[in-house]
Amino acid sequence: DAGVIQSPRHEVTEMGQEVTLRCKPISGHDYLFWYRQTMMRGLELLIYFNNNVPIDDSGMPEDRFSAKMPNASFSTLKIQPSEPRDSAVYFCASIIGGGGTEAFFGQGTRLTVV
Amino acid sequence: AQSVTQLDSQVPVFEEAPVELRCNYSSSVSVYLFWYVQYPNQGLQLLLKYLSGSTLVKGINGFEAEFNKSQTSFHLRKPSVHISDTAEYFCAVSGPYSGNTPLVFGKGTRLSVIA
Repeated sequence: DAGVIQSPRHEVTEMGQEVTLRCKPISGHDYLFWYRQTMMRGLELLIYFNNNVPIDDSGMPEDRFSAKMPNASFSTLKIQPSEPRDSAVYFCASIIGGGGTEAFFGQGTRLTVV
Repeated sequence: AQSVTQLDSQVPVFEEAPVELRCNYSSSVSVYLFWYVQYPNQGLQLLLKYLSGSTLVKGINGFEAEFNKSQTSFHLRKPSVHISDTAEYFCAVSGPYSGNTPLVFGKGTRLSVIA
């Protein structure tokens, strides 16, 4: 397996534009997480899914953020409209359920909103 | 609810010196504990984990950690660091999935190894 794949690796967009980040988890993993990382706030959990169903989205900062997982092999995180304070590195991770298992992270998407 | 506290946000240390990165957790149930490492411009990768059994866990790159249930700690140690150990280190806890977030991370500790 190629691991968790995120795209794009880098995204630069203008304030007010819609941004869509993509993630392909490892096949067979039933949990998927979206994290945001900034210098000020560190690593923050935004939302996670179990078997494609959103379980906890309490970390999503505002209604401008939304996430979907239409099937077991694909998830998106959308920001609409984007703002400069959304600039961060966004990570996707997947895990196979059962407790005590390793989370595998993608390489991240570095988002810059100007 | 589970939580993780990493007591130091930054730790500078000279090459070949020992280092300890501190981690405390809170949980009302039995937990599994992890340390992850993040090298610049990369995602996180597993360094070591504690599930059960021996409280001293050995990981990759010469790192080890000790689980202390009474002190609810899981500190990471290395007897002699190298320049290549410069990275950010995250402590994490997971527990039974039902009703709990499967994996909770601390804020991270940035280890800087000085030549």
